[in-house]
Amino acid sequence: SAVISQKPSRDICQRGTSLTIQCQVDSQVTMMFWYRQQPGQSLTLIATANQGSEATYESGFVIDKFPISRPNLTFSTLTVSNMSPEDSSIYLCSVDAGPTIETQYFGPGTRLLVL
Amino acid sequence: GEDVEQSLFLSVREGDSSVINCTYTDSSSTYLYWYKQEPGAGLQLLTYIFSNMDMKQDQRLTVLLNKKDKHLSLRIADTQTGDSAIYFCAESKRDDKIIFGKGTRLHILP
Repeated sequence: SAVISQKPSRDICQRGTSLTIQCQVDSQVTMMFWYRQQPGQSLTLIATANQGSEATYESGFVIDKFPISRPNLTFSTLTVSNMSPEDSSIYLCSVDAGPTIETQYFGPGTRLLVL
Repeated sequence: GEDVEQSLFLSVREGDSSVINCTYTDSSSTYLYWYKQEPGAGLQLLTYIFSNMDMKQDQRLTVLLNKKDKHLSLRIADTQTGDSAIYFCAESKRDDKIIFGKGTRLHILP
């Protein structure tokens, strides 16, 4: 199994500021993902964090707003830039740690409130 | 409409069976999943079913898949207070991306 930790677990931020969320895995993984879970909404994939290259963003998400780093196989960061209240959400890191379905794991999430 | 739809709330008495329903739109989905999210914890894969199956049983959990109607259900037998959580239905798209529903909050009544 893979154990995922995220920092911070929660934060309250002012609009216009940026927050960087860290995701740490206890083992090397190829695929890391960032999801957003807005209140009352389903989880939405933001991007796939690729090690050694730029992240791959889903439709509706752009690098300027959600820059992602993946410096190695155990760590990734997601920055929420120039925040607005609409960015209030839970941000989840996920990894695909192996070849089977059972090896996709999710972090505990970062609960963000933007005032 | 949404790719994956499920009701938002379900209340069940302790000891009864819980049935959480889900509908999806992509007939080419390869896998369908049920995830559990407990307060303050990450998503946990509860069970999954391959699209060419119509039933899967795992201890207290039974998954039923009606591919014709694109309907998936999760039955939890003998529901316990520890089953209180949000349950997400999800499907794999052709490009292996996972699409989630909005989650069903299961509330257990004493």
